[in-house]
Amino acid sequence: EPEVTQTPSHQVTQMGQEVILRCVPISNHLYFYWYRQILGQKVEFLVSFYNNEISEKSEIFDDQFSVERPDGSNFTLKIRSTKLEDSAMYFCASSELGRIAGGPPGANVLTFGAGSRLTVL
Amino acid sequence: AQSVAQPEDQVNVAEGNPLTVKCTYSVSGNPYLFWYVQYPNRGLQFLLKYITGDNLVKGSYGFEAEFNKSQTSFHLKKPSALVSDSALYFCAVSTGGGADGLTFGKGTHLIIQP
Repeated sequence: EPEVTQTPSHQVTQMGQEVILRCVPISNHLYFYWYRQILGQKVEFLVSFYNNEISEKSEIFDDQFSVERPDGSNFTLKIRSTKLEDSAMYFCASSELGRIAGGPPGANVLTFGAGSRLTVL
Repeated sequence: AQSVAQPEDQVNVAEGNPLTVKCTYSVSGNPYLFWYVQYPNRGLQFLLKYITGDNLVKGSYGFEAEFNKSQTSFHLKKPSALVSDSALYFCAVSTGGGADGLTFGKGTHLIIQP
């Protein structure tokens, strides 16, 4: 069964450092997402990405965050200058259908990766 | 703004007994409702969804969920629990607006005791 893969599984960094989290979505999927889960809290939407640009983003996704699909297979999340409160599990997801494809919008089934745990010291 | 509530942090059920994991939602407009499960060191896995039609939805691993519009609920159920069902369960809602991003509940730990 196709999987979304994420690397690294765990990264420890110093506050103020840049971090790049990598994801390889399922190959025929068109929409890509990043979510995060702070320990003990809800899974929160960060950003969605389609056709090489951000489709939507949440209030959490401020200027220190950026996403990129550099080579047609990888999908990356960059945190420019990490803060203590960025410590969380970051999940990448992808879906086959998007808002412009067939089916009612919002009905997409997302396939998630196993997550990248980021610890900021 | 849409929201999802999972009132129980943990649910304990004896193997072979029926289980229910509760979820209520708040949205403006028609909801699209999902259940995902997370096993240790794994990503969230899709279980089932309600979009429209029959209020009782059947999903993977024998799970089902019933959409109740008047109670704004979407409880997850299974007639006979297995120890292997022990995991973290997330309810989520989307309205199809915005990014199609899902709004998740905080999750419920389901523990099935042998």
